[in-house]
This record gives sequence, structure tokens and C-alpha cells, in this order.
Amino acid sequence: AQKVTQAQTEISVVEKEDVTLDCVYETRDTTYYLFWYKQPPSGELVFLIRRNSFDEQNEISGRYSWNFQKSTSSFNFTITASQVVDSAVYFCALSELHSGGYQKVTFGTGTKLQVIP
Amino acid sequence: DVKVTQSSRYLVKRTGEKVFLECVQDMDHENMFWYRQDPGLGLRLIYFSYDVKMKEKGDIPEGYSVSREKKERFSLILESASTNQTSMYLCASSTRSGRVRGTQYFGPGTRLLVL
Repeated sequence: AQKVTQAQTEISVVEKEDVTLDCVYETRDTTYYLFWYKQPPSGELVFLIRRNSFDEQNEISGRYSWNFQKSTSSFNFTITASQVVDSAVYFCALSELHSGGYQKVTFGTGTKLQVIP
Repeated sequence: DVKVTQSSRYLVKRTGEKVFLECVQDMDHENMFWYRQDPGLGLRLIYFSYDVKMKEKGDIPEGYSVSREKKERFSLILESASTNQTSMYLCASSTRSGRVRGTQYFGPGTRLLVL
């Protein structure tokens, strides 16, 4: 069974600090996807990134970067120079191809990030 | 851009009422999902559908049913609402093909309060 663990329940940082959100996953499949979503106070989950299990290249998008390491089953998310607008709950998720031909997604319990001005 | 809409942002119902939550997506996605989100528990899958008129139970289907009569619309039904169904309900859709295969896109959510 697949599992996603986000051990950090809440994190507080001061604006402009860097912060890393941890995500550890478990899966028996060799083909899977990993995701990060952002949920601001408004409630809508916003898709941030998808990573294929065959692609271990790290990715950078502006102040966001993601570090995917299959050896440790981790997919960590770093925000550089954090801003107040980054305050949100962040979810890591794992998707496996189900026998029915669809993707079954398992979400972590989320990390609440508070950026203090 | 993918657009997923939900019929209500906030809903207040009384115990025993029948409740309909509707979700519509405009990207011709095959798969649609209903989750509930509760503090400390993350997102839990209630039901999903991978085709019109098809439905599958998720992890917590008890007390819920669903309907998918058209590809773009997926309804969640609480046959007899109870206070323990007070929660945030999130709808999502995804496609099985293409560059964004498997990525779920979410609606704005419905906060349901059952009194």
C-alpha cells in the first residue's frame, strides 16, 4: 500500500528565510508520480508540481525548488526567501497506476507553513 | 486552464436532510473524485469515477453516494446528513492521457456544516 508522510505538522519562519518541507513516501511500484499542492486560506488546492518516478532531476521554479531522491524515497520542497503569501498548507501526494487504468492518489496530512512578516 | 467548479462554497444543513454537492469540470477529464478534508487527517477519498455512470468506493464511502450521468458532472449525495459529516468537501478531476496525465485539479471546496 502506498503511503505519504509529512512529519512536519506546522512550521513558522520569518519572512525572507528559506524553508524546506519534507515528504517521504512508500510504494511498491516502479512507476509513479509525486506531487506538491498548495492550499491557501481560501481552501482551494493549487497544483504546484508533478514529478515522474523516472526523472530524478531536481527542479527550480522561481523561489520554489524540489529535491527528488529515490534512494531515500523523499521529495522535499524548498521555498527560498519566503514571503507572507507563501503562508498556506502544503500537501505532498503520491500517485500509482491502479489496475483499473486510473491513477490512485494518496495525500500526506499536510504541513502548515506560516511566514511571519 | 483547467476549471473545476463546485455548486456551493458554504452550506448549512440540518441533521437528516438530504444534501447534494455538485462538481463540474470543463476539461473533458475522464476521472473525477470526491474528498473530504478534516484537520489532522488530510484528504480522504470518498468516491471516484473513471467514466460516465461508473463509480468506485474510496476509503470512506459510508454515508455517501455519488452520481455521474454526464462526463463533466459528478455529484456527491449525503442521503441523511449527520453532524459527523461536517467537513470541507473537495472535488477533483484528472485525465488518463497526455502531458498532465494523473494530475488532479481541484475545485474551490464546499464547507458543509450539519447542525
